[in-house]
Amino acid sequence: DAGVIQSPRHEVTEMGQEVTLRCKPISGHNSLFWYRQTMMRGLELLIYFNNNVPIDDSGMPEDRFSAKMPNASFSTLKIQPSEPRDSAVYFCASSLQGGNTEAFFGQGTRLTVV
Amino acid sequence: GDSVTQMEGPVTLSEEAFLTINCTYTATGYPSLFWYVQYPGEGLQLLLKATKADDKGSNKGFEATYRKETTSFHLEKGSVQVSDSAVYFCALTDGGYQKVTFGIGTKLQVIP
Repeated sequence: DAGVIQSPRHEVTEMGQEVTLRCKPISGHNSLFWYRQTMMRGLELLIYFNNNVPIDDSGMPEDRFSAKMPNASFSTLKIQPSEPRDSAVYFCASSLQGGNTEAFFGQGTRLTVV
Repeated sequence: GDSVTQMEGPVTLSEEAFLTINCTYTATGYPSLFWYVQYPGEGLQLLLKATKADDKGSNKGFEATYRKETTSFHLEKGSVQVSDSAVYFCALTDGGYQKVTFGIGTKLQVIP
């Protein structure tokens, strides 16, 4: 398996624009997580899904953020409108529920909002 | 809720020095414990894990023992190398969804 695949790796956008980040989890994994990493706040869990259903979105900072998982092999994180303070590295991770196994992380998307 | 506390860095060591990074946790139930490592510009990789009390996880010369009585999972390595320079995250999962709760991360810099 190629691991968790995120795209794009880098994104530079202007304030006010819509940004969509994409994630393909490892085949067979049924839990998916979106994290945001900044110097100031470290790693923050934004939202996670189990069997394509959102379980907890309490980490989503504002209504400008939304996430979907239309099927087991794809998820998106959307920011609309984007703001400079959204600049961060966004990670997607997947795991197998109930297996005491670790979460596998993608390479991340570095977002810069100017 | 669950939480992980780890020592703040940065930690700077000379090559071949002994490394300890402290980690303590708070969780309901019986969590699994992990150390992840993040090299510059990369995602997080699992370094080692332990799933029950008194288990010792080990990998690449790193070790950590699950201590339920002290709710700790300290990371150790006997002789660090320059290539060990990275950010190290202590983490736990608790509950069926395998949600990972991370510590703040400790940056390690090893100088020749």
